Amino acid sequence: GQQVMQIPQYQHVQEGEDFTTYCNSSTTLSNIQWYKQRPGGHPVFLIQLVKSGEVKKQKRLTFQFGEAKKNSSLHITATQTTDVGTYFCAGRDDRGSTLGRLYFGRGTQLTVWP
Amino acid sequence: DTAVSQTPKYLVTQMGNDKSIKCEQNLGHDTMYWYKQDSKKFLKIMFSYNNKELIINETVPNRFSPKSPDKAHLNLHINSLELGDSAVYFCASSQGQGWGEQYFGPGTRLTVT
Repeated sequence: GQQVMQIPQYQHVQEGEDFTTYCNSSTTLSNIQWYKQRPGGHPVFLIQLVKSGEVKKQKRLTFQFGEAKKNSSLHITATQTTDVGTYFCAGRDDRGSTLGRLYFGRGTQLTVWP
Repeated sequence: DTAVSQTPKYLVTQMGNDKSIKCEQNLGHDTMYWYKQDSKKFLKIMFSYNNKELIINETVPNRFSPKSPDKAHLNLHINSLELGDSAVYFCASSQGQGWGEQYFGPGTRLTVT
């Protein structure tokens, strides 16, 4: 079945260092979304990527969708303590599987030391 | 003006009890979801409704029963609660047939003792 693998599960960085989390799918995705969940909070949508090779930026965050639409990454430049949280990728199967079904990665929990 | 709201926020109960969690969205979305998040932060989809019709029914015990009285509401009833049901339950909604971003509620932290 469809699976979205996300690594690493945990990442601890010093403030100012960069951070990257990676997602890989066993099948081609129609799109991929990224969410951030602050400690004690709920997942909040960050961005959606649809096109092969797409790159989008939001301030210090850079999102990429692979050429084969099977992998994606989120890179944060010069992390800040406000970046703390769990980052999830979530992809949709390109085969038009169940309506509205998002396959979530297990998330990467980011800790930033001041 | 909360977009997706859930009640209660916290729920502490004993094994064997029956409990319900309610969810409401005021975004006019057609699709609503229930997710379970365990202690390791894994988000597992449980159910999804599109215009009151059940469209996703993952492998969950039949002690869990969703109900959508209208497209703005999706409730979750749990019978005979077990220790393993302890988790945070999130309701979410998305526009149309569910292809866009999902808006999550604040979550209900269920603790079964």
